Amino acid sequence: AAGVIQSPRHLIKEKRETATLKCYPIPRHDTVYWYQQGPGQDPQFLISFYEKMQSDKGSIPDRFSAQQFSDYHSELNMSSLELGDSALYFCASSEGFATNEKLFFGSGTQLSVL
Amino acid sequence: DAKTTQPPSMDCAEGRAANLPCNHSTISGNEYVYWYRQIHSQGPQYIIHGLKNNETNEMASLIITEDRKSSTLILPHATLRDTAVYYCIVRVAKTGNQFYFGTGTSLTVIP
Repeated sequence: AAGVIQSPRHLIKEKRETATLKCYPIPRHDTVYWYQQGPGQDPQFLISFYEKMQSDKGSIPDRFSAQQFSDYHSELNMSSLELGDSALYFCASSEGFATNEKLFFGSGTQLSVL
Repeated sequence: DAKTTQPPSMDCAEGRAANLPCNHSTISGNEYVYWYRQIHSQGPQYIIHGLKNNETNEMASLIITEDRKSSTLILPHATLRDTAVYYCIVRVAKTGNQFYFGTGTSLTVIP
């Protein structure tokens, strides 16, 4: 079965550079979620989209932005990167956001800021 | 925003049942309880979810108390591959995401 695809798998950037992470949800899934997981930390919710509109916002820094496109894939754009942005970034998708809809997670993008 | 409380760590002997508790005393009537696990730096993996009735699938069983204020995830025959961090999540019944991870329980299965 198709899963959530994230690219790239690994990304190395320097401080103050920009990065773009991509997420391709499971076919027919219209809701996408982004999470950040620092070393030894639990996943922290950043932002979510439903039908190309932002549906909820968590602890996403102002330097980050995201959007969902007409084909439902999503991109997380990160600017003015800081050392503290080094983390594993997960994307998840679901078919709607009803309370009984489970989320399916991708394998994540490991971002290292040097 | 996490609405759950779990023990930080547990051990379980290989082949025995692993019983992972979760408290969610402020859960509302239409909010589901989900369990996910994360094996070292992999994406969180769905295990099971339920509303008020006990649930069972090929991975685990979920026992929810009658007052719904707590639940237990049961892995019937733990293997070494079940060593992971297990998250109990209450999905809040509002529009948007409201799918927040708490601290989780680090389960170690011992040979």
